Amino acid sequence: DQQVKQNSPSLSVQEGRISILNCDYTNSMFDYFLWYKKYPAEGPTFLISISSIKDKNEDGRFTVFLNKSAKHLSLHIVPSQPGDSAVYFCAASDSGSARQLTFGSGTQLTVLP
Amino acid sequence: DVKVTQSSRYLVKRTGEKVFLECVQDMDHENMFWYRQDPGLGLRLIYFSYDVKMKEKGDIPEGYSVSREKKERFSLILESASTNQTSMYLCASSPGQDEKLFFGSGTQLSVL
Repeated sequence: DQQVKQNSPSLSVQEGRISILNCDYTNSMFDYFLWYKKYPAEGPTFLISISSIKDKNEDGRFTVFLNKSAKHLSLHIVPSQPGDSAVYFCAASDSGSARQLTFGSGTQLTVLP
Repeated sequence: DVKVTQSSRYLVKRTGEKVFLECVQDMDHENMFWYRQDPGLGLRLIYFSYDVKMKEKGDIPEGYSVSREKKERFSLILESASTNQTSMYLCASSPGQDEKLFFGSGTQLSVL
């Protein structure tokens, strides 16, 4: 049973518009959440994270929102650029399990010029 | 910049062969991880290590073993490769208590 779910395998967005990627989790022990970006033929790279004590974290064009009651987080990219086209993975950890990350299945984002 | 280097980008092996996947990191990180990535399943943790000669099973350790004789090197071993081990294998490292992982470029393994 997947504890971290990304229900949209793909998303297409026009350049300049907002991209919203969603992630749901089932384990209420998760207290730290991360987003990774992966280009073809490269390993995933860290993008942004959020602790469960916050509901929003912003870094430039990227904002992550956390809704603990709904066990839902989302990544907003504004404005979207063609270089943002990649697979985005949501990941979560439980501080009690010491640094292990559980990943979602990923969402392929395509930003159309 | 942290560098995590995986020895092979592509590997083709026969069923029953013993396969070694090597990973080296250059940032003196305590933690090292092996994941496999499969379509629709995301990244699944195979094994991880917090220190030299230490290893812990992840979510899918069956059919795999690992070795960490030196801090910078973490090897994944497929004792007898099977076709269902065809996958993209990703090595990662992280410092101390930090959950932020640094990944290598991956090894695409095909078992025929």
